[in-house]
Amino acid sequence: DIQMTQSPSSLSASVGDRVIITCRANQSISSYLNWYQQRPGKAPDLLIYAATSLQSGVPSRFSGGGSGTDFTLTISSLQPEDFATYYCQQSYSSPPEYTFGQGTRLNIK
Amino acid sequence: QVQLEQSGAEVKKPGASVKVSCKASGYSFTSHDINWMRQATGQGLEWVGWVNPSSGNKGYAQKFQGRVTLTTNTSINTAYMELSSLRSDDTAVYYCARQMWSHYYNWFDPWGQGTLVTVSS
Repeated sequence: DIQMTQSPSSLSASVGDRVIITCRANQSISSYLNWYQQRPGKAPDLLIYAATSLQSGVPSRFSGGGSGTDFTLTISSLQPEDFATYYCQQSYSSPPEYTFGQGTRLNIK
Repeated sequence: QVQLEQSGAEVKKPGASVKVSCKASGYSFTSHDINWMRQATGQGLEWVGWVNPSSGNKGYAQKFQGRVTLTTNTSINTAYMELSSLRSDDTAVYYCARQMWSHYYNWFDPWGQGTLVTVSS
């Protein structure tokens, strides 16, 4: 199985801060990496697909980077609505055996 | 707009089965696979499996092989997940999601609102 590891597990930041969340795969997954945002009590929402492509309607302060085994999600200037949990997910496995990172909880400082 | 509407919360006893539905609207149901995930309270996301509404082809995570069955009814644009031999650690919110493809890349969007399944004696 492809294991996904996110860091940090939790992070405290302030409105306006630049935040970077990392995701590492235990084998190369090319650019088959997606990012989701989950607010408390809600379903996940897609932010970034194929490592760097911004989903339609998602603010441009979100950006994704990386390929191979190391990936990043960057929020350039935190807004109040960005305080949530973020998950990476690999879509490389064939036949499918998709896996998610354990999540990064972004808290208000 | 594209929407996935899931059935309501369920409470089941250990050893029983549960069947969760996911009704799609706003797009061609047979054009996209439906995937299922689950999330225990305070925990991360776990992939359960996928089903193609057009062909009926399906695949399951190894962990759930033999206990989960994914089906669809194209006449009512609805996907189903049935999980049998329930245990307390199956207590979780179960989500369906549409799978999107572009070239060889794929992702889940949108997701249903989730269905809480509680397993308790």
